[in-house]
Amino acid sequence: DAKTTQPNSMESNEEEPVHLPCNHSTISGTDYIHWYRQLPSQGPEYVIHGLTSNVNNRMASLAIAEDRKSSTLILHRATLRDAAVYYCILRDDGAGNMLTFGGGTRLMVKP
Amino acid sequence: EAGVVQSPRYKIIEKKQPVAFWCNPISGHNTLYWYLQNLGQGPELLIRYENEEAVDDSQLPKDRFSAERLKGVDSTLKIQPAELGDSAVYLCASSLAGTGVYNEQFFGPGTRLTVL
Repeated sequence: DAKTTQPNSMESNEEEPVHLPCNHSTISGTDYIHWYRQLPSQGPEYVIHGLTSNVNNRMASLAIAEDRKSSTLILHRATLRDAAVYYCILRDDGAGNMLTFGGGTRLMVKP
Repeated sequence: EAGVVQSPRYKIIEKKQPVAFWCNPISGHNTLYWYLQNLGQGPELLIRYENEEAVDDSQLPKDRFSAERLKGVDSTLKIQPAELGDSAVYLCASSLAGTGVYNEQFFGPGTRLTVL
């Protein structure tokens, strides 16, 4: 599996935008970029995924670099409830639904 | 609609004792996953079922761990005997079958196991 690199932790202020970076310099052409997050004492939950184009949904936006070697998850207005560990995961198109989690970024949101 | 249900939520046992975890996936989800999550790390896949068939159990320590999904719905993960290093959170997830399109995994809240 291609590897991703994320900062161990980040801090944000409530109601401000948050940009969570992910580097994946060895990404292959068939790798999708997925983001999951894990709130305290809960299992991970799906946030967003994309291949080449930027993606938006009700939770977040995903900005993918033109060379696809990095991506950024954008939370437009952080709330206290967004404090979680965010996982950036590469999934090969041929791997079905299989995901391989790394260490993720722990996001702390300050009131 | 109910999400993935796991029980118990917490379990404390002494080493060498057996322990079992139960998972009820989302209705209609063919695929069921068991993950192990150590403190401060991401989940690691232990076993994946497509209906009642274990299609990927390469990471399951088969000397002490076993799993079953007899009717292709509920699943049980067992450890016998438990060791101190088994203390972790055991997560269950389910999804529709992954054939051609991506179907997101839905996770349960996990069972936190403490082995003394």
